[in-house]
Amino acid sequence: DVKVTQSSRYLVKRTGEKVFLECVQDMDHENMFWYRQDPGLGLRLIYFSYDVKMKEKGDIPEGYSVSREKKERFSLILESASTNQTSMYLCASSLASAGADTQYFGPGTRLTVL
Amino acid sequence: SQELEQSPQSLIVQEGKNLTINCTSSKTLYGLYWYKQKYGEGLIFLMMLQKGGEEKSHEKITAKLDEKKQQSSLHITASQPSHAGIYLCGADINAGNMLTFGGGTRLMVKP
Repeated sequence: DVKVTQSSRYLVKRTGEKVFLECVQDMDHENMFWYRQDPGLGLRLIYFSYDVKMKEKGDIPEGYSVSREKKERFSLILESASTNQTSMYLCASSLASAGADTQYFGPGTRLTVL
Repeated sequence: SQELEQSPQSLIVQEGKNLTINCTSSKTLYGLYWYKQKYGEGLIFLMMLQKGGEEKSHEKITAKLDEKKQQSSLHITASQPSHAGIYLCGADINAGNMLTFGGGTRLMVKP
């Protein structure tokens, strides 16, 4: 079974803090994704990575950056957290390098920025 | 408006009743994925459909993709409280690496 884990289930941070959300997958998947999920807005793609050190902006990259130094790990970074970044963050991974393939999701991190 | 529309947005059914959730796009769906999300948790993959007219079933859940590959339905037979959650459809509408998601359908099953 594919396993995608996220470093925290719940996180509370203060405005202006630097926040790291980490995601690890154990199936040697090439693609990894970070989404945020908000009521009424559904899942929105922040960034994705199709290989180590490779990244592409998604629909809402502003205020975020990512790092993929190892194939199994994809980190989402909030350089200076703001209250409008309070959200549920979901990480996913998939195998295919061409064409969409089944994405497997982690359990999510609910981030609150005060 | 979203590129992938789900309906209804929420649904309350009595245990034992059947229900259907729809996912519609104006674009061709190159791959259609159904996920279930329990409240406050991650998404669990249910089924994937790729071919027009394809139908798949798992236990009491059946998913179909229409011939034109622009609409999918998820049907639950004899619903149970364990079916409660948020159902999301995700689709490859750009023949690329990424999925576009619908807004989700929140299902509640009354015992």
